[in-house]
Amino acid sequence: QKEVEQDPGPLSVPEGAIVSLNCTYSNSAFQYFMWYRQYSRKGPELLMYTYSSGNKEDGRFTAQVDKSSKYISLFIRDSQPSDSATYLCAMSPLGAQKLVFGQGTRLTINP
Amino acid sequence: DTAVSQTPKYLVTQMGNDKSIKCEQNLGHDTMYWYKQDSKKFLKIMFSYNNKELIINETVPNRFSPKSPDKAHLNLHINSLELGDSAVYFCASSQDKGLGGAETQYFGPGTRLLVL
Repeated sequence: QKEVEQDPGPLSVPEGAIVSLNCTYSNSAFQYFMWYRQYSRKGPELLMYTYSSGNKEDGRFTAQVDKSSKYISLFIRDSQPSDSATYLCAMSPLGAQKLVFGQGTRLTINP
Repeated sequence: DTAVSQTPKYLVTQMGNDKSIKCEQNLGHDTMYWYKQDSKKFLKIMFSYNNKELIINETVPNRFSPKSPDKAHLNLHINSLELGDSAVYFCASSQDKGLGGAETQYFGPGTRLLVL
């Protein structure tokens, strides 16, 4: 079993929809939680960063972490075609000097 | 200016050959990484260097040898290439802020390796 599980999709939604992306994990030592966005044929880029449990909002994006359930989510409001990409969750234990990534969910927003 | 650059972008080679991928970052970061992304988009860390010192060496075959001549460069040499080495290899860098590996990592554009 992988440390981080993420549904690879693909996920296709109409423009303007609310998108929910999720990851579960098994390592209770994970303290830092991130979402990276990867456009086709590009490197991943950091989208959201959360420490421990709680919510964080940045524009149309909201990241949630529920450590008790070992579950993290990324919500995208008013989705745009430019949001079409692969979204990778990533997490790290404190002091581990490395990120463990989920498989990534391929998202398409249809105009 | 490109923050993290990799060369070459594409690499097609025969099984058994030896090849190198180069990475350079102009962000002044202390830490650099090599990741492998397979055909299912699964991104997995291979190596990490901090100020030219190896700090992470995941279970990678010893045919893979990273080299960091200075903290702005991290190269990856692969000996005796195998079909299973076909993947996209990403270099990344981050600035050590004492967060224990949770610093933002900046990725290069990737090198697409195809072994025939």
